[in-house]
Amino acid sequence: EVQLVESGGGLVQPGGSLRLSCVASGFTFSNYWMSWVRQAPGKGLEWVANIKQDGSEKYYVDSVKGRFTISRDNAKSSLYLQMISLRAEDTAVYYCARDVGYCIGGSCYSPWGQGTLVTVSS
Amino acid sequence: EIVMTQSPATLSVSPGERATLSCRASQSVSSSLAWYQQKPGQAPRLLIYDASTRATGIPARFSGSGSGTEFTLTISGLQSVDFAVYYCQQYNSWPPGYTFGQGTKLEIK
Repeated sequence: EVQLVESGGGLVQPGGSLRLSCVASGFTFSNYWMSWVRQAPGKGLEWVANIKQDGSEKYYVDSVKGRFTISRDNAKSSLYLQMISLRAEDTAVYYCARDVGYCIGGSCYSPWGQGTLVTVSS
Repeated sequence: EIVMTQSPATLSVSPGERATLSCRASQSVSSSLAWYQQKPGQAPRLLIYDASTRATGIPARFSGSGSGTEFTLTISGLQSVDFAVYYCQQYNSWPPGYTFGQGTKLEIK
């Protein structure tokens, strides 16, 4: 079964840091672009960052540039999101998601992990 | 950035009937459009990609249509498991990133 499992969320104070992890199973992780997508409480979906199969290309939404770093370890089938200088507006459920690789013109995502909640509050 | 607008925000439909959800792009995205279903407390699930292709395992009662700026997700013969929030996503324009609509909540009438 193709599966993604996130961990690492929690309560952090504004300005703090957190590292999210996502472990993949059931497929060859190193063959796929991977992304982080977040969802603020009661809100819609927002793509956050993605990373190429070998880690050589990384992209971020403007609001997290310079604060978040996406990385991967293909030997461990794991995806990471290092978050620093966290703000209240970063509060959200963070999902890792696999780029299916066959959507014409870009990226669509399947599967998604169950998500991990990050709460930034004092 | 391409803005995706979904309508209506909430749609009330009776089981067994047909639901029609709309998604509009602020500029053409060709056919680079996906639909996702999200149930409370769950992750989104890919339903449709390339505007009209059903993802693996998705029932035939789900269909997608459209191109350019106007897209539709149609669910025929609604079942209780179909009541959820549906999001569209464009993947034609990069950078700054692929964008999602704000969602349509499909509720039981």
